[in-house]
Amino acid sequence: KQEVTQIPAALSVPEGENLVLNCSFTDSAIYNLQWFRQDPGKGLTSLLLIQSSQREQTSGRLNASLDKSSGRSTLYIAASQPGDSATYLCAVGGAQKLVFGQGTRLTINP
Amino acid sequence: NAGVMQNPRHLVRRRGQEARLRCSPMKGHSHVYWYRQLPEEGLKFMVYLQKENIIDESGMPKERFSAEFPKEGPSILRIQQVVRGDSAAYFCASSPPGLAGGYNEQFFGPGTRLTVL
Repeated sequence: KQEVTQIPAALSVPEGENLVLNCSFTDSAIYNLQWFRQDPGKGLTSLLLIQSSQREQTSGRLNASLDKSSGRSTLYIAASQPGDSATYLCAVGGAQKLVFGQGTRLTINP
Repeated sequence: NAGVMQNPRHLVRRRGQEARLRCSPMKGHSHVYWYRQLPEEGLKFMVYLQKENIIDESGMPKERFSAEFPKEGPSILRIQQVVRGDSAAYFCASSPPGLAGGYNEQFFGPGTRLTVL
């Protein structure tokens, strides 16, 4: 059974810092890995999708890496801004569904 | 191209009533997934459907819950005789046809927040 863990559960940093969010999973037989952003009381916004054959994906200030063999992914956010404050969710894609981590609640302080 | 649509956005039911949640996938998408987010918990998979077929319902509670995705119209998640523990946010996602459901990127709707009084 796939289990996904995100560390840390919460993170608070000053504006402008670069930061890394971590995601680990127990079963390396995955199709893909997605990073999402969720604002309070809102839906999920897809940030990056990494297919199992890829090592990383980049979009603007975001960079996500995937190491299937070690069961890890990281989301790197450069030059953080207050608007980046949200909960970030990592989800591992299996044959039929996504398995989500509990999320990292990120606060960027002006 | 409109995104995944869900309605209602908020639904209040009394214990014992029925709740019907609707999801219209993105245009051209033929795979629909339902996930539930209980308060202070992560999202959990419930069911995966294609048109007129339930592919995987391993995350659905055995009783009171059912889902369908008819040939015409939206996907429906139906909860009969709701209890307070059903209060949660229910999210629908869709993905394009072709490859196995989990292979493609999933696009999420805004969710339906169900409150059971």
